[in-house]
Amino acid sequence: AQSVTQLDSQVPVFEEAPVELRCNYSSSVSVYLFWYVQYPNQGLQLLLKYLSGSTLVKGINGFEAEFNKSQTSFHLRKPSVHISDTAEYFCAVNQIKAAGNKLTFGGGTRVLVKP
Amino acid sequence: DSGVTQTPKHLITATGQRVTLRCSPRSGDLSVYWYQQSLDQGLQFLIQYYNGEERAKGNILERFSAQQFPDLHSELNLSSLELGDSALYFCASSVAPNEQFFGPGTRLTVL
Repeated sequence: AQSVTQLDSQVPVFEEAPVELRCNYSSSVSVYLFWYVQYPNQGLQLLLKYLSGSTLVKGINGFEAEFNKSQTSFHLRKPSVHISDTAEYFCAVNQIKAAGNKLTFGGGTRVLVKP
Repeated sequence: DSGVTQTPKHLITATGQRVTLRCSPRSGDLSVYWYQQSLDQGLQFLIQYYNGEERAKGNILERFSAQQFPDLHSELNLSSLELGDSALYFCASSVAPNEQFFGPGTRLTVL
């Protein structure tokens, strides 16, 4: 079984300030890791993914995340947020196995960017 | 735009009724996934189809069923609806196991 914990349900942040969203996972086998963003009344959009290789992953819209295997974490960061980054962010894992590729999501972190 | 389409966008129905949600995957994607997003349960995987065959199953209720057709579109059937089935239902598709593209969702309201 696998599980994902997003440690903060809400993160208020001022415009142009940095933000970090924390994600920890639990899995008995190796996983792929993802961050998705959901803007109000929209579907999920992939921000970035970690499959293998460099543990620092860069995504769209200036976001990046670092995979830490020893701490089973995949925290998301952005050095300077914009009002348009107001959204809900989901961390997800996918166990690397032959059959079935379900994503297991965390509970989400709602980011509110204030002017 | 992810390339995944879902219809209808909104659905309002009564308890005990049956509804069908439709999903068209991105061109070339063989896998289709269904997820449910609700306030109390969050985002949960329901079921995956690959090229017409069921590949993986999550916490899908027995009242729910799905299928994938030869043209690769998929339908999620929800029957004997209860108030608690009100949720946003997402379809996703992929060609490889390492990235899923999500549709805009169908918002189901059961009254």
